[in-house]
Amino acid sequence: KNEVEQSPQNLTAQEGEFITINCSYSVGISALHWLQQHPGGGIVSLFMLSSGKKKHGRLIATINIQEKHSSLHITASHPRDSAVYICAVELGAQKLVFGQGTRLTINP
Amino acid sequence: DTGVSQDPRHKITKRGQNVTFRCDPISEHNRLYWYRQTLGQGPEFLTYFQNEAQLEKSRLLSDRFSAERPKGSFSTLEIQRTEQGDSAMYLCASSLELAASSYNEQFFGPGTRLTVL
Repeated sequence: KNEVEQSPQNLTAQEGEFITINCSYSVGISALHWLQQHPGGGIVSLFMLSSGKKKHGRLIATINIQEKHSSLHITASHPRDSAVYICAVELGAQKLVFGQGTRLTINP
Repeated sequence: DTGVSQDPRHKITKRGQNVTFRCDPISEHNRLYWYRQTLGQGPEFLTYFQNEAQLEKSRLLSDRFSAERPKGSFSTLEIQRTEQGDSAMYLCASSLELAASSYNEQFFGPGTRLTVL
Protein backbone atom coordinates (compact mmCIF):
# COMPACT_ATOMS: atom_id res chain seq x y z
CA LYS A 1 0.00 0.00 0.00
CA ASN A 2 1.33 3.41 -0.97
CA GLU A 3 1.90 5.91 1.78
CA VAL A 4 -0.18 8.46 -0.15
CA GLU A 5 -3.34 7.49 -2.00
CA GLN A 6 -5.35 9.80 -4.21
CA SER A 7 -8.84 9.39 -5.60
CA PRO A 8 -10.08 9.45 -8.19
CA GLN A 9 -7.19 8.71 -10.54
CA ASN A 10 -9.06 10.31 -13.42
CA LEU A 11 -11.89 12.82 -13.34
CA THR A 12 -13.80 14.35 -16.22
CA ALA A 13 -16.36 17.06 -15.59
CA GLN A 14 -18.22 19.83 -17.35
CA GLU A 15 -17.26 23.45 -17.05
CA GLY A 16 -18.79 25.01 -13.97
CA GLU A 17 -18.96 21.85 -11.89
CA PHE A 18 -17.65 21.65 -8.33
CA ILE A 19 -14.61 19.36 -8.20
CA THR A 20 -13.29 17.36 -5.26
CA ILE A 21 -10.05 15.39 -5.23
CA ASN A 22 -9.19 13.32 -2.18
CA CYS A 23 -5.91 12.35 -0.58
CA SER A 24 -5.32 9.86 2.22
CA TYR A 25 -2.01 9.13 3.86
CA SER A 26 -0.79 6.56 6.31
CA VAL A 27 2.21 8.16 7.98
CA GLY A 28 2.84 11.01 10.38
CA ILE A 29 3.51 14.20 8.49
CA SER A 30 4.65 17.75 9.15
CA ALA A 31 2.72 19.22 6.22
CA LEU A 32 0.72 18.30 3.14
CA HIS A 33 1.11 19.86 -0.27
CA TRP A 34 -1.20 20.11 -3.23
CA LEU A 35 0.58 20.56 -6.54
CA GLN A 36 -0.56 21.10 -10.11
CA GLN A 37 1.24 19.61 -13.10
CA HIS A 38 0.47 20.67 -16.64
CA PRO A 39 1.38 18.70 -19.78
CA GLY A 40 5.10 19.14 -20.39
CA GLY A 41 5.96 18.48 -16.78
CA GLY A 42 6.08 21.77 -14.91
CA ILE A 43 4.87 21.47 -11.31
CA VAL A 44 3.42 24.39 -9.42
CA SER A 45 2.71 24.42 -5.72
CA LEU A 46 -0.91 25.27 -4.96
CA PHE A 47 -1.14 24.83 -1.21
CA MET A 48 0.95 23.81 1.74
CA LEU A 49 -1.03 23.13 4.89
CA SER A 50 -0.68 21.43 8.22
CA SER A 51 -4.14 22.05 9.65
CA GLY A 52 -7.53 23.44 8.80
CA LYS A 53 -8.33 25.03 5.49
CA LYS A 54 -6.79 27.36 2.93
CA LYS A 55 -8.41 29.18 0.04
CA HIS A 56 -6.89 30.76 -3.03
CA GLY A 57 -9.28 32.04 -5.65
CA ARG A 58 -11.48 29.15 -6.75
CA LEU A 59 -9.32 26.56 -5.02
CA ILE A 60 -9.88 25.34 -1.47
CA ALA A 61 -7.76 22.81 0.40
CA THR A 62 -8.68 21.16 3.67
CA ILE A 63 -6.87 18.73 5.92
CA ASN A 64 -8.00 16.53 8.81
CA ILE A 65 -4.90 15.46 10.70
CA GLN A 66 -6.73 12.97 12.91
CA GLU A 67 -8.24 11.18 9.92
CA LYS A 68 -5.08 11.58 7.80
CA HIS A 69 -7.13 12.95 4.95
CA SER A 70 -7.08 16.03 2.75
CA SER A 71 -9.31 17.32 -0.03
CA LEU A 72 -8.77 19.77 -2.83
CA HIS A 73 -11.88 21.52 -4.13
CA ILE A 74 -12.28 23.59 -7.27
CA THR A 75 -15.35 25.78 -7.53
CA ALA A 76 -16.79 26.91 -10.89
CA SER A 77 -14.33 24.70 -12.77
CA HIS A 78 -12.93 25.89 -16.08
CA PRO A 79 -11.18 24.08 -18.95
CA ARG A 80 -7.92 25.80 -17.96
CA ASP A 81 -8.10 23.87 -14.67
CA SER A 82 -7.40 20.70 -16.67
CA ALA A 83 -4.17 19.27 -15.30
CA VAL A 84 -2.80 16.58 -13.03
CA TYR A 85 -3.26 17.39 -9.35
CA ILE A 86 -0.79 15.78 -7.00
CA CYS A 87 -0.97 15.40 -3.26
CA ALA A 88 2.35 15.14 -1.43
CA VAL A 89 3.12 14.71 2.24
CA GLU A 90 6.15 16.15 3.92
CA LEU A 91 8.14 13.79 6.10
CA GLY A 92 11.24 14.60 8.15
CA ALA A 93 13.82 16.88 6.53
CA GLN A 94 11.15 18.23 4.21
CA LYS A 95 11.27 15.17 1.96
CA LEU A 96 8.11 14.86 -0.08
CA VAL A 97 6.26 11.60 -0.74
CA PHE A 98 3.85 11.98 -3.61
CA GLY A 99 0.55 10.43 -4.55
CA GLN A 100 0.11 9.09 -8.04
CA GLY A 101 -1.86 12.14 -9.13
CA THR A 102 -5.39 12.80 -10.32
CA ARG A 103 -5.86 13.68 -13.97
CA LEU A 104 -8.60 16.29 -14.24
CA THR A 105 -10.25 17.16 -17.52
CA ILE A 106 -12.81 19.95 -17.66
CA ASN A 107 -14.85 20.01 -20.84
CA PRO A 108 -16.37 23.26 -22.12
CA ASP B 1 8.32 30.22 -14.49
CA THR B 2 9.20 29.27 -10.91
CA GLY B 3 12.77 30.52 -11.10
CA VAL B 4 14.24 27.01 -11.12
CA SER B 5 15.77 26.02 -14.44
CA GLN B 6 16.87 22.66 -15.77
CA ASP B 7 19.01 21.76 -18.74
CA PRO B 8 18.50 20.06 -21.07
CA ARG B 9 14.72 19.86 -21.28
CA HIS B 10 14.88 16.70 -23.36
CA LYS B 11 17.59 14.09 -23.78
CA ILE B 12 17.54 11.04 -26.01
CA THR B 13 20.40 8.62 -25.57
CA LYS B 14 21.34 5.07 -26.39
CA ARG B 15 21.52 2.40 -23.76
CA GLY B 16 24.92 2.29 -22.14
CA GLN B 17 25.73 5.96 -22.62
CA ASN B 18 26.31 8.41 -19.77
CA VAL B 19 24.11 11.48 -19.35
CA THR B 20 24.33 14.54 -17.12
CA PHE B 21 21.57 16.94 -16.18
CA ARG B 22 21.89 20.34 -14.60
CA CYS B 23 19.61 22.20 -12.22
CA ASP B 24 19.90 25.87 -11.32
CA PRO B 25 17.83 26.62 -8.22
CA ILE B 26 16.47 29.94 -7.03
CA SER B 27 19.64 31.73 -5.99
CA GLU B 28 18.99 32.18 -2.28
CA HIS B 29 17.62 28.67 -1.76
CA ASN B 30 19.80 26.43 0.35
CA ARG B 31 17.99 23.15 -0.31
CA LEU B 32 17.91 21.34 -3.62
CA TYR B 33 16.01 18.14 -4.40
CA TRP B 34 16.03 15.65 -7.26
CA TYR B 35 12.96 13.59 -8.11
CA ARG B 36 12.15 11.07 -10.83
CA GLN B 37 8.74 10.73 -12.41
CA THR B 38 7.67 7.92 -14.72
CA LEU B 39 4.63 8.12 -16.95
CA GLY B 40 1.35 8.14 -15.08
CA GLN B 41 2.97 8.21 -11.67
CA GLY B 42 3.76 10.86 -9.11
CA PRO B 43 7.36 11.96 -8.61
CA GLU B 44 9.66 9.85 -6.43
CA PHE B 45 12.36 11.30 -4.20
CA LEU B 46 15.94 10.61 -5.28
CA THR B 47 18.19 12.83 -3.20
CA TYR B 48 18.55 16.24 -1.62
CA PHE B 49 21.24 18.75 -0.69
CA GLN B 50 21.53 21.26 2.09
CA ASN B 51 23.95 23.77 0.57
CA GLU B 52 26.73 21.56 -0.85
CA ALA B 53 26.13 18.59 1.44
CA GLN B 54 24.16 15.63 0.13
CA LEU B 55 22.08 14.68 3.15
CA GLU B 56 19.90 11.83 1.94
CA LYS B 57 19.79 9.40 -0.94
CA SER B 58 16.89 7.15 -1.86
CA ARG B 59 17.47 3.46 -2.39
CA LEU B 60 16.18 4.19 -5.91
CA LEU B 61 19.51 5.88 -6.54
CA SER B 62 21.67 3.00 -7.69
CA ASP B 63 25.45 3.13 -7.98
CA ARG B 64 25.03 4.33 -11.56
CA PHE B 65 23.53 7.59 -10.31
CA SER B 66 25.54 10.38 -8.78
CA ALA B 67 24.55 13.90 -7.83
CA GLU B 68 26.67 16.86 -6.87
CA ARG B 69 26.20 20.41 -5.74
CA PRO B 70 29.82 21.56 -5.55
CA LYS B 71 29.39 25.18 -4.54
CA GLY B 72 25.98 24.99 -2.98
CA SER B 73 24.38 26.59 -6.02
CA PHE B 74 23.67 24.56 -9.18
CA SER B 75 23.50 20.78 -9.08
CA THR B 76 24.22 18.01 -11.55
CA LEU B 77 22.73 14.54 -11.76
CA GLU B 78 24.74 12.00 -13.73
CA ILE B 79 23.53 8.60 -14.85
CA GLN B 80 26.21 6.20 -16.02
CA ARG B 81 25.59 3.25 -18.34
CA THR B 82 21.99 4.23 -18.91
CA GLU B 83 19.32 1.55 -19.10
CA GLN B 84 15.89 1.69 -20.70
CA GLY B 85 14.36 1.68 -17.23
CA ASP B 86 16.01 5.04 -16.57
CA SER B 87 13.63 6.68 -19.05
CA ALA B 88 11.66 9.19 -17.01
CA MET B 89 11.22 12.86 -16.22
CA TYR B 90 13.89 14.08 -13.82
CA LEU B 91 12.66 16.97 -11.71
CA CYS B 92 14.62 19.37 -9.61
CA ALA B 93 13.18 21.54 -6.84
CA SER B 94 14.63 24.07 -4.45
CA SER B 95 13.54 25.56 -1.18
CA LEU B 96 14.72 27.91 1.51
CA GLU B 97 15.01 26.30 4.91
CA LEU B 98 14.35 28.77 7.67
CA ALA B 99 15.65 27.73 11.04
CA ALA B 100 12.42 28.56 12.81
CA SER B 101 10.21 26.81 10.27
CA SER B 102 9.35 23.12 10.30
CA TYR B 103 8.37 23.04 6.65
CA ASN B 104 9.02 24.97 3.49
CA GLU B 105 7.66 25.34 -0.02
CA GLN B 106 9.50 23.64 -2.83
CA PHE B 107 9.74 25.31 -6.23
CA PHE B 108 10.01 22.91 -9.13
CA GLY B 109 11.91 23.19 -12.36
CA PRO B 110 10.39 22.18 -15.71
CA GLY B 111 12.14 18.81 -15.67
CA THR B 112 14.44 16.95 -18.02
CA ARG B 113 12.75 14.20 -19.98
CA LEU B 114 15.15 11.32 -20.58
CA THR B 115 14.51 8.69 -23.22
CA VAL B 116 16.89 5.74 -23.35
CA LEU B 117 16.68 3.78 -26.59
